Amino acid sequence: GDSVTQMEGPVTLSEEAFLTINCTYTATGYPSLFWYVQYPGEGLQLLLKATKADDKGSNKGFEATYRKETTSFHLEKGSVQVSDSAVYFCALDGGSNYKLTFGKGTLLTVNP
Amino acid sequence: DVKVTQSSRYLVKRTGEKVFLECVQDMDHENMFWYRQDPGLGLRLIYFSYDVKMKEKGDIPEGYSVSREKKERFSLILESASTSQTSMYLCASRLADGEGEQFFGPGTRLTVL
Repeated sequence: GDSVTQMEGPVTLSEEAFLTINCTYTATGYPSLFWYVQYPGEGLQLLLKATKADDKGSNKGFEATYRKETTSFHLEKGSVQVSDSAVYFCALDGGSNYKLTFGKGTLLTVNP
Repeated sequence: DVKVTQSSRYLVKRTGEKVFLECVQDMDHENMFWYRQDPGLGLRLIYFSYDVKMKEKGDIPEGYSVSREKKERFSLILESASTSQTSMYLCASRLADGEGEQFFGPGTRLTVL
């Protein structure tokens, strides 16, 4: 079945540091890939998505590229801010059974 | 913008009580979902509904049931709450199968004493 593995946290960075959160997946077919963000006390919000190989999703300075050859969708940001502190979830939609498959989430804390 | 609302942000119930969690979406979405979120386990799908009156079990349906009598509303029911059901519950909706991302509500933090 489908699965998503993302790097375990917590990740602690200083403001303006470079961020990478690794995400790899297993799926049959051609999934769509997503990054969701959950700020403290809130539900999940879509951060970015990619629907086919080599697509790059981007939003709010975050980027992720759909790499079919390495089955990866790593999240990156060149310069993090304190306001980026949140839990980040990688997810895939395999297209065949309605549901999203989520990774376990990575807690990011950015210190001033 | 799509809006998904949940009836309560925080709820405290006693063991054995029947608990209703309500979710409403305002964008005529066909698909609706209930997840629970626990530390170290991420999000796990409890039930989903792909259309009115239709429901399918997710990965962890035991101890839960659902109801979808109207398109905009999807209810999660704990028939007899237990302490193991203390968790954050997240509702989500999506336009239709294969139609992109799910939109999430703010969550209900349920504590069962």
